[in-house]
Amino acid sequence: KAGVTQTPRYLIKTRGQQVTLSCSPISGHRSVSWYQQTPGQGLQFLFEYFSETQRNKGNFPGRFSGRQFSNSRSEMNVSTLELGDSALYLCASSLEVDWVDEQFFGPGTRLTVL
Amino acid sequence: AQKVTQAQTEISVVEKEDVTLDCVYETRDTTYYLFWYKQPPSGELVFLIRRNSFDEQNEISGRYSWNFQKSTSSFNFTITASQVVDSAVYFCALSDGQNFVFGPGTRLSVLP
Repeated sequence: KAGVTQTPRYLIKTRGQQVTLSCSPISGHRSVSWYQQTPGQGLQFLFEYFSETQRNKGNFPGRFSGRQFSNSRSEMNVSTLELGDSALYLCASSLEVDWVDEQFFGPGTRLTVL
Repeated sequence: AQKVTQAQTEISVVEKEDVTLDCVYETRDTTYYLFWYKQPPSGELVFLIRRNSFDEQNEISGRYSWNFQKSTSSFNFTITASQVVDSAVYFCALSDGQNFVFGPGTRLSVLP
């Protein structure tokens, strides 16, 4: 069974630009969560999607948004990039909603904002 | 508000030593889940265990064991007879079903 895949793996953008990251969950998984990992703030929850609906949202500004498609694939978008958005963005999928079962993480997308 | 504290930033042990990673959590909810994840140098987070708030039974899985104590809001993780492959950053995490909060992590180095 293929694991969680994230594309692209690396991305370099400049301030003010926008970026879209993609996550393909494990087949059959309907829940997708996104996390940001930085050296200063650690791992922080961004949002969770289940059956194309945003279930939960972390404490991030509106520049961070996401969506989930009918095949459970998910994208997250960051608009008007800031230097502080440089981070490893991790996606995780699970069978059930609200983290009641195991999350499987992807390898992440490393975003660098110059 | 929920919070997870991992007071040990870095730990170094010699192979075959036992090591305990501490995790203390804060939550007002009566129903919650606790987790441990491992992040090896490759970067991908690996699930180790999930425990719900109503199950205080300790768990053992091979060289790994977990001690959950609601009275002290702690969910500690012990590796017995550590190995070099155990070197990684370990994260404790807490969820109430609406938010998912990670601790700052403990970097474990197991020296040969």
